[in-house]
Amino acid sequence: GAVVSQHPSRVICKSGTSVKIECRSLDFQATTMFWYRQFPKQSLMLMATSNEGSKATYEQGVEKDKFLINHASLTLSTLTVTSAHPEDSSFYICSARDGKTGLDTEAFFGQGTRLTVV
Amino acid sequence: AQSVTQLDSQVPVFEEAPVELRCNYSSSVSVYLFWYVQYPNQGLQLLLKYLSGSTLVKGINGFEAEFNKSQTSFHLRKPSVHISDTAEYFCAVKGQAGTALIFGKGTTLSVSS
Repeated sequence: GAVVSQHPSRVICKSGTSVKIECRSLDFQATTMFWYRQFPKQSLMLMATSNEGSKATYEQGVEKDKFLINHASLTLSTLTVTSAHPEDSSFYICSARDGKTGLDTEAFFGQGTRLTVV
Repeated sequence: AQSVTQLDSQVPVFEEAPVELRCNYSSSVSVYLFWYVQYPNQGLQLLLKYLSGSTLVKGINGFEAEFNKSQTSFHLRKPSVHISDTAEYFCAVKGQAGTALIFGKGTTLSVSS
């Protein structure tokens, strides 16, 4: 299957700073990328959907000014957690869909990023 | 809109025993159904998926699932589990093209010797 690389896998930052998480599709063009957040022992909650070259669509309750998403190219999407607080500590996972080759039915997931805000 | 219910939050089993992880979904449109596995602090790995056709779907690691439209279920089964199958399992549903996966709350499978 296609490969999605997410970086970093772990990050610790101080409260009030910003953190950027990258999600790259390595062998396909990701026309759509999704960002999820996962709390301990819980399911994945969709945060936003981003299409290359356009603004992300955020789910209800997700602060767009706090979680900045950029999908500037067909192989890269970034999630920036701005002015991070301890309650933003979580596991963030991206997924990407190859909409060009007819494989739209499957999304490929990154390895996830464990964010800890101290 | 779609939703997914995983009926068991935790399933403890002994090694080499069979296991079934239950998943029910609701949707007003045709759906695609998926099962993913997640090991600690890792992303999700696709086990299997149902898109159309045969209702019995075989996946990796000896897992299979059966789509039952009348019961709106997509239960995951394995005839004989291994210690290495211990992980979190997520059922997911997807509706129209381009939409995101909607996940169930997950089932923790714990295999002991």
